[in-house]
Amino acid sequence: GDSVTQMEGPVTLSEEAFLTINCTYTATGYPSLFWYVQYPGEGLQLLLKATKADDKGSNKGFEATYRKETTSFHLEKGSVQVSDSAVYFCALSDRSGGGADGLTFGKGTHLIIQP
Amino acid sequence: GAVVSQHPSWVICKSGTSVKIECRSLDFQATTMFWYRQFPKQSLMLMATSNEGSKATYEQGVEKDKFLINHASLTLSTLTVTSAHPEDSSFYICSASTSGQGNYGYTFGSGTRLTVV
Repeated sequence: GDSVTQMEGPVTLSEEAFLTINCTYTATGYPSLFWYVQYPGEGLQLLLKATKADDKGSNKGFEATYRKETTSFHLEKGSVQVSDSAVYFCALSDRSGGGADGLTFGKGTHLIIQP
Repeated sequence: GAVVSQHPSWVICKSGTSVKIECRSLDFQATTMFWYRQFPKQSLMLMATSNEGSKATYEQGVEKDKFLINHASLTLSTLTVTSAHPEDSSFYICSASTSGQGNYGYTFGSGTRLTVV
């Protein structure tokens, strides 16, 4: 079945540091890939997504590129802020369109940014 | 943008009672709603998929008689945890599938923290 593997946390960085959170996946077909962020006590918010190979999703300074050859979708940000502290989930949808399937999530990476 | 309102945000109930969680799509019609469960420091696990007007499809290992899902309208889906026990304590999150201009996405509710005592 489908699966998503992401680096375990917590990841602790200083403000303005460079961030990478690794995510790899296994799936049949042509999945869409997502990064969601969950702030304390809140639900999930879509951070970015990519629907086909070589697509780059970006939002709020975060980027991730859909790499089919390495089955990866690593999340990066050049300069993190304290407000980026949250749990980040990598996820995939194993249908090319329609949103008829639920998402398969990684275990989440807790990011802590220290001032 | 699309908004899914989920309530209650938290609930404490006694063992053996039932609890209903509601999810409403506020400004769009959600033909498909997903229900997830999240244990502390764990990932979200898909419990079931519900389509308006039809029976929900449950994931393997999820008891359909315990977790009753109703999706009677395009803007409302409910999850009822029947005869709740302490092991049902968890964070439950709904998500609606949205589409527009050939693109699609998922909008999540803010979640419900269920504690069974």
